[in-house]
Amino acid sequence: QLQLRESGPGLVKPSETLSLTCSVSGDSISSSSHQWGWIRQSPGKGLEWIGTIYYSGSTYSNPSLESRVTISAEKSKNQLSLRLSSVTAADTAVYYCARQLLFRGVAGDNWGQGTLVTVSS
Amino acid sequence: QSALAQPTSVSGSPGQSITISCTGTSRDIGNYNYVSWYQQHPGKAPKLMIYDVSNRPSGVSDRFSGSKSGNTASLTISGLQAEDEAEYYCGSYRSSNTLLVFGGGTKLTVL
Repeated sequence: QLQLRESGPGLVKPSETLSLTCSVSGDSISSSSHQWGWIRQSPGKGLEWIGTIYYSGSTYSNPSLESRVTISAEKSKNQLSLRLSSVTAADTAVYYCARQLLFRGVAGDNWGQGTLVTVSS
Repeated sequence: QSALAQPTSVSGSPGQSITISCTGTSRDIGNYNYVSWYQQHPGKAPKLMIYDVSNRPSGVSDRFSGSKSGNTASLTISGLQAEDEAEYYCGSYRSSNTLLVFGGGTKLTVL
């Protein structure tokens, strides 16, 4: 059974870097059948695609966040990571990792439970 | 403002059918059969209900169906049940640098 679990600090100071890890079990992030990525949801708001990584290591990011986003994969640990730099209060959100089919418009056929990250001093 | 337009809310009584619309452009819904729908209960992660406009993942009730006409996709839920009360989001592939876009969500209330 596929499971994804996000982990990382729940509180980040403004201007610092948000770092999250997604641990995957039940599937391999090295598989070419899917991609793996991050979606966020600000409190009381809708969903926003952050970015996606392919098994090859290629990444795609939302242009609105691209200059601040780094997505990487640690295949030996079956984990993917998200780094978002220079955060502001507008980056406060629940961050989800998900197994995706990016070019078929599937943001996630399996999702983690999400982790709330608050940006505040 | 969301990339795809959805009604803010819809409602229906148990046993009835409802339809939620999702309007995009020729850069997404209009030219690609890559529309997905997600159900989200409060405090929970989204759940994929429909992909490729009208396909249901394994385990999703056949009371949920999807369709598309022009730039507008639709999610229909038949035989409404109390457990269907949730927020519903549409998503689509878009042929631009923003590859994946969403609607703003529709709150379904089962009366």
